[in-house]
Amino acid sequence: QSVLTQPPSVSAAPGQKVTISCSGSISNIGTNYVSWYQQLPGTAPKLLIYDDNKRPSGIPDRFSGSKSGTSATLGITGLQTGDEADYYCGTWDSRLNPGGVFGGGTRVTVL
Amino acid sequence: EEQLVQSAAEVKKAGESLKISCKGSGYDFTSYWIAWVRQMPGKGLEWMGIIYPGDSDTRYSPSFQGQVTISADKSISTAFLEWSSLKASDTAMYYCARQTSWDDGLHVWGQGTTVIVSS
Repeated sequence: QSVLTQPPSVSAAPGQKVTISCSGSISNIGTNYVSWYQQLPGTAPKLLIYDDNKRPSGIPDRFSGSKSGTSATLGITGLQTGDEADYYCGTWDSRLNPGGVFGGGTRVTVL
Repeated sequence: EEQLVQSAAEVKKAGESLKISCKGSGYDFTSYWIAWVRQMPGKGLEWMGIIYPGDSDTRYSPSFQGQVTISADKSISTAFLEWSSLKASDTAMYYCARQTSWDDGLHVWGQGTTVIVSS
């Protein structure tokens, strides 16, 4: 059971938009920045979004992040077949034993 | 280029010890945190712990506290993840990754080290 809750899967046709939710609590998302990662099959995760809504250089603006209260959302517009991957949210949890936490991951399928 | 290069895959028997490594290059290794992340076969990412090589400040997830040891040798820009007695359930891919602060994103990732433990 992950500390952060994501839907197991989302799907859409090429060119469409998908959103992935990440639900947490006041001690993690409610207090700390959220990051999002893309993991293509057989590869290491790659940072897509950090500090809730910032993109590292090289990440296209089709990817966006937002946060409200204890939930965060990743948006992908203009969906491409190359976007088929697992997506994870992550943040820090400031409880008694502070540490990093991830969501369980969301598989994006391009129909 | 800023990168983290991890040690090669390992195949071990239950009860054996193991130490895998993560070498940083292209940046000041002592100024960034290194996190370790586990991914069991077909499963999601799990945060194991984090170390600041500058002063070896280390934090562990409660799930991994006492099960592994995280260390770093700043003289060779390398972080380590160590087991004293492996279990079959330690079979997984292990990634190291770099971040600026605790709630910063993991900007740079190693390629991963596969650990297979037979019972």
